[in-house]
Amino acid sequence: DGGITQSPKYLFRKEGQNVTLSCEQNLNHDAMYWYRQDPGQGLRLIYYSQIVNDFQKGDIAEGYSVSREKKESFPLTVTSAQKNPTAFYLCASSILRATNTEAFFGQGTRLTVV
Amino acid sequence: DQQVKQNSPSLSVQEGRISILNCDYTNSMFDYFLWYKKYPAEGPTFLISISSIKDKNEDGRFTVFLNKSAKHLSLHIVPSQPGDSAVYFCAARVNTGNQFYFGTGTSLTVIP
Repeated sequence: DGGITQSPKYLFRKEGQNVTLSCEQNLNHDAMYWYRQDPGQGLRLIYYSQIVNDFQKGDIAEGYSVSREKKESFPLTVTSAQKNPTAFYLCASSILRATNTEAFFGQGTRLTVV
Repeated sequence: DQQVKQNSPSLSVQEGRISILNCDYTNSMFDYFLWYKKYPAEGPTFLISISSIKDKNEDGRFTVFLNKSAKHLSLHIVPSQPGDSAVYFCAARVNTGNQFYFGTGTSLTVIP
């Protein structure tokens, strides 16, 4: 089955610790995205990548870092510099610059920092 | 600045009636529009889309209407069912670009 897998589904971390969220896709998509969802704020773009070893900041990149060493993988690290890390994180992928195509989402990771 | 806006945070509709969810956008370069449905603690799933060359697209109980002059689109669900209760996100993109722009979502509750 083709799709996007995010792991883990729930993650708890102590304040001040870095944490990495996994995102893997087997759809052969070039573009991958990380979004954050907070109540009443919709989906806000953190980072996106169009090709291996290249990525761009989205609207709320501060306190986050990413890597794209393989086409299939786009892990997100939430660093201790992120002021409000508790949120629901969504990874997505899509065909790059193709006409009329959608983004496919993973099931999300709920990060709680205590 | 929010380029895609959903001004109604929530909507309640009786089962069997029509649900109308609205979305406005500001960027005239957008040429593809999408609706996603999201349940709590799950990822959004694609529902229906429309290209800017059309003004209507229908898929079963779901119809999306696009009014380019008003920069407005809407999603109609007829008849509404309790299983339609979810958060609906409107999204837009420029086909030559690489980003999807999402609205803030509308929480639909269909009352049995």
